[in-house]
Amino acid sequence: AQTVTQSQPEMSVQEAETVTLSCTYDTSESDYYLFWYKQPPSRQMILVIRQEAYKQQNATENRFSVNFQKAAKSFSLKISDSQLGDAAMYFCAYRSPTSGNTPLVFGKGTRLSVIA
Amino acid sequence: EAGVAQSPRYKIIEKRQSVAFWCNPISGHATLYWYQQILGQGPKLLIQFQNNGVVDDSQLPKDRFSAERLKGVDSTLKIQPAKLEDSAVYLCASSPGLQRNQPQHFGDGTRLSIL
Repeated sequence: AQTVTQSQPEMSVQEAETVTLSCTYDTSESDYYLFWYKQPPSRQMILVIRQEAYKQQNATENRFSVNFQKAAKSFSLKISDSQLGDAAMYFCAYRSPTSGNTPLVFGKGTRLSVIA
Repeated sequence: EAGVAQSPRYKIIEKRQSVAFWCNPISGHATLYWYQQILGQGPKLLIQFQNNGVVDDSQLPKDRFSAERLKGVDSTLKIQPAKLEDSAVYLCASSPGLQRNQPQHFGDGTRLSIL
């Protein structure tokens, strides 16, 4: 079974600075999908960014980018120009491609605080 | 488009009582998931439906949890009887169909507290 590990329970960053959240995973599959989700205090999970394992190019969405290291099974999230609205729980998630809509396997999350 | 709707938002019950949660996915979404999120942990899948059929319920505690998705649209998750360890947020998510890498859309969740 796949597992996802987020080793940083809490992180903090100054407003306008850059922060990197770490994620590692364990899988024997060669093709899969990785995601970062944001969960603000209101609790609704919001997709931040996704990466397909067969793509070598790191995904980027505005201020959010990933560093995907397939051999190391590492998938870190970089948030640039941090804003107060970025404060939330961030979850790394893995998805097997074996069928069209396999469920997500989540890490335990990293709580990000943004300091004004 | 309207998002995934869940109700109630909060529920407090005593142990051994019963409780039910309701989820209405995004219109047209064939796949529906129920996740359990215990405080301090990431969500864990309880059950997955494809239309009105169960795809995966391997992690559903079937002695006390049940779920159904009548007519392949909205879904209910029931706990009977509840235990203290069932205190958690129950998240419903949906996704469109069988295309690869379709994102899951989550509802606001139901926070369940067992006294």
